[in-house]
Amino acid sequence: DQQVKQNSPSLSVQEGRISILNCDYTNSMFDYFLWYKKYPAEGPTFLISISSIKDKNEDGRFTVFLNKSAKHLSLHIVPSQPGDSAVYFCAASTFSGNTPLVFGKGTRLSVIA
Amino acid sequence: KAGVTQTPRYLIKTRGQQVTLSCSPISGHRSVSWYQQTPGQGLQFLFEYFSETQRNKGNFPGRFSGRQFSNSRSEMNVSTLELGDSALYLCASSLEGLTNEKLFFGSGTQLSVL
Repeated sequence: DQQVKQNSPSLSVQEGRISILNCDYTNSMFDYFLWYKKYPAEGPTFLISISSIKDKNEDGRFTVFLNKSAKHLSLHIVPSQPGDSAVYFCAASTFSGNTPLVFGKGTRLSVIA
Repeated sequence: KAGVTQTPRYLIKTRGQQVTLSCSPISGHRSVSWYQQTPGQGLQFLFEYFSETQRNKGNFPGRFSGRQFSNSRSEMNVSTLELGDSALYLCASSLEGLTNEKLFFGSGTQLSVL
């Protein structure tokens, strides 16, 4: 049973436009959500996070939105740049304690110049 | 600070063999987690070690095991390899292994089982 779902395996966006990556979760206990980015031949790197007390968190060109009632979060990248081309993983857990992160399967973003 | 180091980068084994992968965490990090990445399943949690003790375990068979040494370095072992074990194995470290800490990943070990 997949608790974190990224239903789009891939996404292509023109440079300068907005990229929107989506993620759904099923476990109501999750209250902490993260996005990681992965380039080929490298490990994932942390991008941005959000806890359930917020519905939005921004960091430069990256914004994560959380809709708790829909159990849905999205990552917006504005403007998209060719260097953003990577696989993006959504992850979820509980904020306190040491519960392991549950990752989605990832979405491959291609930003076309 | 040096990052998380995983060795070897690539490994080719045959079915039935066993394999040991190594991970050196960032200096000062006491928690080491292992993940398996496959194209179909994304990143799946294997186990987490903290202060030489396995603290969390994912849903993998007993063929997958690990350990952590007093210097926080960790190894994972897979015995009786199966074709389906072919994957990228990622190690990640953090200070205390708390959920709200950033995980720092190594580049992984690509295991191919023939």
